[in-house]
Amino acid sequence: DIQMTQSPSTLSASIGDRVTITCRASQSISSRLAWYQLKPGKAPKLLISKTSSLESGVPSRFSGSGSGTEFTLTISSLQPDDFATYYCQQYNTYPLTFGGGTKVDIK
Amino acid sequence: QITLKESGPTLVKPTQTLTLTCTFSGFSLSTSGVGVGWIRQPPGKALEWLVLIYWDDDKRYSPSLKYRLTISKDTSKKQVVLTMTNMDPVDTGTYYCAYWNIEVAGALPSLWGQGTLVTVSA
Repeated sequence: DIQMTQSPSTLSASIGDRVTITCRASQSISSRLAWYQLKPGKAPKLLISKTSSLESGVPSRFSGSGSGTEFTLTISSLQPDDFATYYCQQYNTYPLTFGGGTKVDIK
Repeated sequence: QITLKESGPTLVKPTQTLTLTCTFSGFSLSTSGVGVGWIRQPPGKALEWLVLIYWDDDKRYSPSLKYRLTISKDTSKKQVVLTMTNMDPVDTGTYYCAYWNIEVAGALPSLWGQGTLVTVSA
């Protein structure tokens, strides 16, 4: 199985901060990396697919980059609606695997 | 508009079999490339992919759970059913169903239901 390691596990930030979350794969996954946003009681939301393709309706302050084994999710200017938990997921190989999650909370 | 909704028991006893139903709308599970699958999240822990069924009845299972899982589809009812045998308290968590379209986005769950919390306790 491909292991996905996310860091940090928790991140405290203020409104307007630039936030970066890192995801490392245990082997190359090409560009088949997605990012999700989870909030309690709501359906998880796909933010980015194929490393850097922003889903329709997702604010442009979100961006993704990377290739091979190292990937990042960046929020350029943190907004109140962005306080949530974020997960990366590789879909290059079955079994599909997720990172451990990064909780973004208010500093 | 694609929607998915999970239903099933909120409480099961250890050793029992869990049966969850995903009822969806806005797409057909007979369309090429389309799939429906399940993902779970234990309280305070990470997401875990469980199983996926495609339009052509191809099924993909998590290796660690494959002997406990069964997935089936009823295209006309627009439902996918998950059964998990021999439930244990460690299986407690929120179970999500999700939509896949490998021809559009690849093998990733692009739309999710809100999830259903299942507790395993005597």
